[in-house]
Amino acid sequence: ETGVTQSPTHLIKTRGQQVTLRCSSQSGHNTVSWYQQALGQGPQFIFQYYREEENGRGNFPPRFSGLQFPNYSSELNVNALELDDSALYLCASSQGQGANTEAFFGQGTRLTVV
Amino acid sequence: DAKTTQPPSMDCAEGRAANLPCNHSTISGNEYVYWYRQIHSQGPQYIIHGLKNNETNEMASLIITEDRKSSTLILPHATLRDTAVYYCIVRSPYTGAGSYQLTFGKGTKLSVIP
Repeated sequence: ETGVTQSPTHLIKTRGQQVTLRCSSQSGHNTVSWYQQALGQGPQFIFQYYREEENGRGNFPPRFSGLQFPNYSSELNVNALELDDSALYLCASSQGQGANTEAFFGQGTRLTVV
Repeated sequence: DAKTTQPPSMDCAEGRAANLPCNHSTISGNEYVYWYRQIHSQGPQYIIHGLKNNETNEMASLIITEDRKSSTLILPHATLRDTAVYYCIVRSPYTGAGSYQLTFGKGTKLSVIP
């Protein structure tokens, strides 16, 4: 149990729709990162938030966006859903941004786009 | 980030030590070696990390060679619950506008056999 909680656990959406996924970081953690994991692949970095600002982004289009709130919880929003967006979406939290800082993952949200 | 190379799969007898190798020949002096594992359909679980010295915690030991070009994760007494995909990741320090995301490869699928 990492203390990182994600909701919902499963979600089914139709192509073209929009979706919001939520993450509550571990107590005391001010940094949240989001990852996408397609079936059979390792997780791929989407973006990172530190103290409510996005400060790093992977190779994902602008229709993937996010927010971090003052309590450091976070949302991932995906617009204009495509079939290839079907994946496990993972949130990870850490205290600070140092390379010597462990990141702890939630259990993920399984998104299916039909 | 430096690239890592891991065997795609390994077997280990229950109760024996599991030794998972990782090559990271292009690692820089300030990059850390991290290990995570992922049990089917769950979020990745942090195991251990290190810079130069060998590290040990309640889950595992991390042995880093003196030249830092390779490392070995050791699970001292493997159980069936240790069956998972193990990821070796080299993590760069945060350098400002970029990010120090975890870059997952394909990992090693460890099967612990009764």
